[in-house]
Amino acid sequence: GENVEQHPSTLSVQEGDSAVIKCTYSDSASNYFPWYKQELGKRPQLIIDIRSNVGEKKDQRIAVTLNKTAKHFSLHITETQPEDSAVYFCAASGHDMRFGAGTRLTVKP
Amino acid sequence: EAQVTQNPRYLITVTGKKLTVTCSQNMNHEYMSWYRQDPGLGLRQIYYSMNVEVTDKGDVPEGYKVSRKEKRNFPLILESPSPNQTSLYFCASSGALNTEAFFGQGTRLTVV
Repeated sequence: GENVEQHPSTLSVQEGDSAVIKCTYSDSASNYFPWYKQELGKRPQLIIDIRSNVGEKKDQRIAVTLNKTAKHFSLHITETQPEDSAVYFCAASGHDMRFGAGTRLTVKP
Repeated sequence: EAQVTQNPRYLITVTGKKLTVTCSQNMNHEYMSWYRQDPGLGLRQIYYSMNVEVTDKGDVPEGYKVSRKEKRNFPLILESPSPNQTSLYFCASSGALNTEAFFGQGTRLTVV
């Protein structure tokens, strides 16, 4: 089955800096790659996703890149703000959806 | 309002006492799944269902059962809970396999 690895497990940045979270996956059949944000005590919610026929997608301060050959994808957050502090999960979906272990992002004011 | 609803939100129980966590969605979604969330391990899939009467094991199915008799409901059953099943549980639904998953509010289960 699919195996998703996510790095780093924790990330601390200064407000205004950029943050990058990286994931790798194992199943070449995976074709959908969502990213979820989970604020403290809340449910995970989708923030951006990308499909395998696209190499990059951007939504305001958030962007995701996908390298299908290397089987890795990344989340980029620019101009970070304190409200970006949360746990972020990547996922890969083909036959079923598998999540990474999560990255706890802390943005210091 | 489109939503996934889990109940209960919090549950403390004793080892061996059967329990059911309910999950219901009002979006007519075909795909539903259960995850457990543990520190450092992320979201691990327990069971999933592609449609009514179709269920399959995820990564950590041992000690759990599910059923999908109706499209909107996907209950998680612990026949004989043990302390290692203490965790935060999420139900999720999506219109199809490779589309956005909508999560319930979560159920924090403690087995003593």
